[in-house]
Formats: sequence, structure tokens, C-alpha cells
Amino acid sequence: GENVEQHPSTLSVQEGDSAVIKCTYSDSASNYFPWYKQELGKRPQLIIDIRSNVGEKKDQRIAVTLNKTAKHFSLHITETQPEDSAVYFCAASMQAGRRALTFGSGTRLQVQP
Amino acid sequence: GAGVSQSPSNKVTEKGKDVELRCDPISGHTALYWYRQSLGQGLEFLIYFQGNSAPDKSGLPSDRFSAERTGGSVSTLTIQRTQQEDSAVYLCASSSEGGRETQYFGPGTRLLVL
Repeated sequence: GENVEQHPSTLSVQEGDSAVIKCTYSDSASNYFPWYKQELGKRPQLIIDIRSNVGEKKDQRIAVTLNKTAKHFSLHITETQPEDSAVYFCAASMQAGRRALTFGSGTRLQVQP
Repeated sequence: GAGVSQSPSNKVTEKGKDVELRCDPISGHTALYWYRQSLGQGLEFLIYFQGNSAPDKSGLPSDRFSAERTGGSVSTLTIQRTQQEDSAVYLCASSSEGGRETQYFGPGTRLLVL
């Protein structure tokens, strides 16, 4: 089955700096890659997603890149703010076959003011 | 509109007892998922319902876990003879269809087995 690895497990940056979180996946059939943000005690919230027919997607300060050949995708947050502090999860799923999301283990991002 | 709701929000039970957790998906969403999140960990897939198709139970950790979805809407996750290792947050999500559609999560049920 699918396996998603996520790095780093923790990340501390200064306010205004950029943050990058990387994930790799094992199943080449995966074609949907969402990123979720989870604040302490709250539910995961989708922040951005990318599908396999696209190499990059951007939404304001957040961007995601996908390299299907290498089977890895990354989340980029620019001009970080204290409210970006949370745990971020990458995930992967397939349109056919097993459709549930396989999640990475999460990255705890701390933005220092 | 209303999002995914779950009940109860918290459940404390004694080892060996059965528990039922409920999920109300977003109206009109045909796909429903259950995940488990242990303290400080990622989300672990449990079971997936899509329309009238047979559910994907491949993530259920043991035969003590079961789930049903009545009328294509509300779902109940049942854990029989609970063990301490079942303590976790149980999250439900729904999407308009399976696969590449966005999954929206409920607030979760925090289960503590004493």
C-alpha cells in the first residue's frame, strides 16, 4: 500500500522567513496530494492541494510543488506569520483503488515573532 | 452550510466496555471516512464508505472495530471490548465523492479508555 514520509518533524523559523516541508510517496498510482493544517485541539483544515496533472500551485503565501518522477511534493510558506504556527500534514490518495488519504506523520511549525 | 459534525466530543470509558461514535457528514456528500489520531501522531485510515458500494475496511485494526452507514448519511463507528490502546481522537471526514475530492473533517471524538 501507499506510504508517505514527511520531513522535518519540527521546524522553527523567524517571522518573515520561508518554511519548506517535504513529503515523498511510494505508490506511483497516487494522483491527489492535499496539505492540511491542524491547530492544537482543532480539526485538520485543507490549506492547498495539487493533482497529478499539475507541477505547481500557488495560493497567496502558500505554494505546493509536485515531482511525479521522483514521487515527492513540497509545501512552501513565504513571509511566515505567528498564526502559521501549527502542525502540517501532507497526504496522498488515488482516484481508483484505495481512495482514502494516506497521511504523513506531520511537521510542527513554530514561527517565532 | 453545516460542516461535518461528530458526537460525543469526548468519551471516557472503562476497559472492556463498548463505545459508539457518531458522524454526520456534510449534506449531499457521498463519501465518508473514519480516521484515528493518537496523541501527537498522524492520521491513520480506518474505513471508507462510498455511496452504495461495499465499504473499504482495510484500515480497521482489529475485529473489535466496525462501522456502518445508514441511508447513505450518518455513520456510527463501534469499538467493542475497548482497550487502553484504543485511546485516541477519532476523526470523521466526508467528500462529495471519493478519490480526488476535498475531504472535510469533523471536530473529532476524543476517546479515553481507563
